[in-house]
Amino acid sequence: EVQLVESGGGLVKPGRSLRLSCTASGFTFGDYAMSWFRQAPGKGLEWVGFIRSKAYGGTTEYAASVKGRFTISRDDSKSIAYLQMNSLKTEDTAVYYCTRVSSSGWHFDYWGQGTLVTVSS
Amino acid sequence: QSALTQPRSVSGSPGQSVTISCTGTSSDVGGYNYVSWYQQHPGKAPKLMIYDVSKRPSGVPDRFSGSKSGNTASLTISGLQAEDEADYYCCSYAGSYTLNVVFGGGTKLTVL
Repeated sequence: EVQLVESGGGLVKPGRSLRLSCTASGFTFGDYAMSWFRQAPGKGLEWVGFIRSKAYGGTTEYAASVKGRFTISRDDSKSIAYLQMNSLKTEDTAVYYCTRVSSSGWHFDYWGQGTLVTVSS
Repeated sequence: QSALTQPRSVSGSPGQSVTISCTGTSSDVGGYNYVSWYQQHPGKAPKLMIYDVSKRPSGVPDRFSGSKSGNTASLTISGLQAEDEADYYCCSYAGSYTLNVVFGGGTKLTVL
């Protein structure tokens, strides 16, 4: 059974940093691209970015709203994807979801339960 | 403001059919067959319901179907059941230049 478990959320002050982790199980992690999404309270879903598998260079892409502040990385030996968030702003407050990118196209077939990040002074 | 436009709410009675539209542009919905739909119950993670415009993942009831015409994609739910009440989001790939993924603002489905 595919499982994605996010961790690392919490309360952080504006301008500070936070790193989220997504621990995967039930599939060969290294074979898949992984993506992060977020959902601000009462709002819709927003794509944050993704990281390709090593077979495709392990490169990353980001939404304009986080580019230059957020960094996605992966440790295939541990089946973990990371979201490093720097220079956090109050508008980054959201539930952050880790997802697996389907191998067959641009859709997201498994989602974690999410972790809440609150940016507030 | 979301890149894709969905109605804020739709409703239907048990057993009826409802359709949720998702309007984009030729740069996203109209340009690629990579439209997907996600169901989200309150406090829960989204769940993939439709991908590649009209394909259903294993385990999703065949009451759920997807289609596309031009720049508008649609999700149709037939034989409405109480458990279908949820938020539904459409999503589209938006091209290799931006390597971006765009979402609709979500539609609240109420089963009367």
